Amino acid sequence: QVQLVESGGGVVQPGGSLRLSCAASGFTDGIHWVRQAPGKGLAWVAFMRYDGGDERYADSVKGRFTIPRDSSNNMFYLQMDSLRADDTAMYYCAKDARGSFDQWGQGTPVTVSS
Amino acid sequence: DVVMTQSPLSLAVTLGQPASISCRSSQSLVHSNGNTYLNWFQQRPGQSPRRLIYEVSQRDSGVPDRFSGSGSGTDFTLRISRVEAEDVGVYYCMQGTHWPWTFGQGTKVEIK
Repeated sequence: QVQLVESGGGVVQPGGSLRLSCAASGFTDGIHWVRQAPGKGLAWVAFMRYDGGDERYADSVKGRFTIPRDSSNNMFYLQMDSLRADDTAMYYCAKDARGSFDQWGQGTPVTVSS
Repeated sequence: DVVMTQSPLSLAVTLGQPASISCRSSQSLVHSNGNTYLNWFQQRPGQSPRRLIYEVSQRDSGVPDRFSGSGSGTDFTLRISRVEAEDVGVYYCMQGTHWPWTFGQGTKVEIK
């Protein structure tokens, strides 16, 4: 049974850091992070292959976000540094499925505000 | 980056009537392996997105057969043969052929 559960969202000041967690079970595919600003559309953020052999980032987060992982516990993270107001969004982790996402988590909200 | 352009951005449909959403990409979505990674997602109000269609026309398990996808190259369409109340939400196309993966702006479907 595939399951994705995000956690770790919250309110953080501009310039601050936050680490989101995605508990992934029932598969060994890669993980994507996708975000949705309030009232806006979906935007792909980052990808990590399950074995860590490939990782990709959107230009808007490159150099600020990384995807650490703990494969022994099936945990993926989104480490977000130097946060800006335009990073405010609902963050979803989603299971990679060859050019697609076939399962999504419920999302965790991030607000960047002073 | 590949730009995905959906139209219309809003659609009001009478129950039982068909609906159609267009998605155009700024470059071909045919991958070097010959597959075309064009997806359609549905996001109902207050819910996470859910995949309906992958690789242009492959319907996910549990998706009603009133949903169908078609197209090729740069021009794609999602059709709902008979809209039901549960179809209200926002529909997104997304390409997974070229990095970074990109979404269309979304099409809001409501009942007239």
